[in-house]
Amino acid sequence: TQLLEQSPQFLSIQEGENLTVYCNSSSVFSSLQWYRQEPGEGPVLLVTVVTGGEVKKLKRLTFQFGDARKDSSLHITAAQPGDTGLYLCAGVNAGKSTFGDGTTLTVKP
Amino acid sequence: SAVISQKPSRDICQRGTSLTIQCQVDSQVTMMFWYRQQPGQSLTLIATANQGSEATYESGFVIDKFPISRPNLTFSTLTVSNMSPEDSSIYLCSVGTGGGSNYGYTFGSGTRLTVV
Repeated sequence: TQLLEQSPQFLSIQEGENLTVYCNSSSVFSSLQWYRQEPGEGPVLLVTVVTGGEVKKLKRLTFQFGDARKDSSLHITAAQPGDTGLYLCAGVNAGKSTFGDGTTLTVKP
Repeated sequence: SAVISQKPSRDICQRGTSLTIQCQVDSQVTMMFWYRQQPGQSLTLIATANQGSEATYESGFVIDKFPISRPNLTFSTLTVSNMSPEDSSIYLCSVGTGGGSNYGYTFGSGTRLTVV
């Protein structure tokens, strides 16, 4: 079983602060995805990274795939209340996805 | 990306009964996936539904408990049978979209099931 550990599990910060969420595994993945989920909705895909060392930016969000394709990070700059939600990473191998435990982010105005 | 309509959005059911959840996709897709999620937690894959063949179930999930139908390339149902309070959870369907560095999953909005 491929496990993905996310940290921290919970994060509560003030608007304007920066934060980083980590997604770690002992397994190698062909690609890794990040999702954000709001209450009462399904997860929404933010980004997919496929190359070791790859960095992708989506406005204030920066995603990095580890060189060995076993880990990833999500960095948010100047967080806003609209960033509040559950962030999930998912590692993909052989067409199957393994989801991380999730990080619940609360950004206070 | 695909748009998925999932219903019901929530239900409260008596133990021992069954609930069928429906997912309609606005495009034809080969595989549809069914997940279970406790609020605020990770997603666990229940099964993969392929059109024209039996669904493939993950370890810990069996067809008698979670029968799946896939009558065509745009529709699937998941039934939660003989429900107990332990089945209370959020159930989500999803499909894969895009390819390569744009590959990801599109999810329905989920069905929040409470068994009493």
